[in-house]
Amino acid sequence: NAGVTQTPKFQVLKTGQSMTLQCAQDMNHNSMYWYRQDPGMGLRLIYYSASEGTTDKGEVPNGYNVSRLNKREFSLRLESAAPSQTSVYFCASSPRQVNGYTFGSGTRLTVV
Amino acid sequence: RKEVEQDPGPFNVPEGATVAFNCTYSNSASQSFFWYRQDCRKEPKLLMSVYSSGNEDGRFTAQLNRASQYISLLIRDSKLSDSATYLCVVGSNFGNEKLTFGTGTRLTIIP
Repeated sequence: NAGVTQTPKFQVLKTGQSMTLQCAQDMNHNSMYWYRQDPGMGLRLIYYSASEGTTDKGEVPNGYNVSRLNKREFSLRLESAAPSQTSVYFCASSPRQVNGYTFGSGTRLTVV
Repeated sequence: RKEVEQDPGPFNVPEGATVAFNCTYSNSASQSFFWYRQDCRKEPKLLMSVYSSGNEDGRFTAQLNRASQYISLLIRDSKLSDSATYLCVVGSNFGNEKLTFGTGTRLTIIP
């Protein structure tokens, strides 16, 4: 049982480049989330999808877009990467809020 | 005021000791409460849910005080493997599937 799978694990981008972070879950969860984690800032919600076909902004959505491709997959796109987007990105999924989240292993992104 | 506040630590505790963390939350309508554990350069993992009646899982005990809006985690007989960052997590409303994470409390168990 793979749980939540994120790709890639590491990425270095130049300022202005674009990329898509992929996330897939095999637990038939309805809700999926993208967080970023920075030192001293904790986990901050970028976007989330409460169910297939819906997406909503979180706390820090600027500079990002998302796509809930189907129930399994939720991708995060950086259209024009900036150094401020250097961070560790976590995808998570949940059947319902009361069950908590299951996280992927993260993507370490550096923008130079 | 932050939605979820934790003492960042670090807490340096000798092996075998008992250690307690507290966390406060600002939204009195909060319904779901959790403690997560995060090891260095790893993803957060669910340690335990926190129920109104309190709950225990081995050496770990979690308590919820709704009147004072705080959650606690007690670790007894601490092990070296307990060294990690502990995240307090709160969910506000049923139907709103978002959870809010505290910034975490770093714990180091000293041999």
